[in-house]
Amino acid sequence: KAGVTQTPRYLIKTRGQQVTLSCSPISGHRSVSWYQQTPGQGLQFLFEYFSETQRNKGNFPGRFSGRQFSNSRSEMNVSTLELGDSALYLCASSWGQLNTEAFFGQGTRLTVV
Amino acid sequence: KNEVEQSPQNLTAQEGEFITINCSYSVGISALHWLQQHPGGGIVSLFMLSSGKKKHGRLIATINIQEKHSSLHITASHPRDSAVYICASVGENKIIFGKGTRLHILP
Repeated sequence: KAGVTQTPRYLIKTRGQQVTLSCSPISGHRSVSWYQQTPGQGLQFLFEYFSETQRNKGNFPGRFSGRQFSNSRSEMNVSTLELGDSALYLCASSWGQLNTEAFFGQGTRLTVV
Repeated sequence: KNEVEQSPQNLTAQEGEFITINCSYSVGISALHWLQQHPGGGIVSLFMLSSGKKKHGRLIATINIQEKHSSLHITASHPRDSAVYICASVGENKIIFGKGTRLHILP
């Protein structure tokens, strides 16, 4: 079966702009979680959606938001981009909670200039 | 606040050697993940543990809940095992990652 698909793979944006990233989970998975990876902070948990509801949230400012659609596809939005938002953004899908096996996408590399 | 510490940060070994990567966490958790990340960013989930030991091929993962410690072992290491290995603890509806161990296996 198809894996987790993230689009786009690469993105360059200007400070102050906003960006939307997309994640299509493995068929049948209802949980999608998002992560930010930077050289300085490593991997950090952004939020998790299950059946269109945000179930868990990490410690990120309100500029970072997300949503999940009825087909379990999820989008992540970052508004008013800052240089520090440059990172690899990864999503993962699973059938259950965060303590179940997760399958990761290839990530979207966002560069803010 | 839960802290997740990995050691060593970097490890270079010869092909065939037995590899151990350690992960310690500071508060009770419901599960611990071991992940592998290759250059280019793709992450593969290796194990999800809540107790005991799991084995998959040449990889073995153990967890000691009382000591809040987990280890990832690689037997008969191979250059294709070169990657960053990351542990992640799950608790209180959050997931916290270690900084990763960069493993380089020399042929």
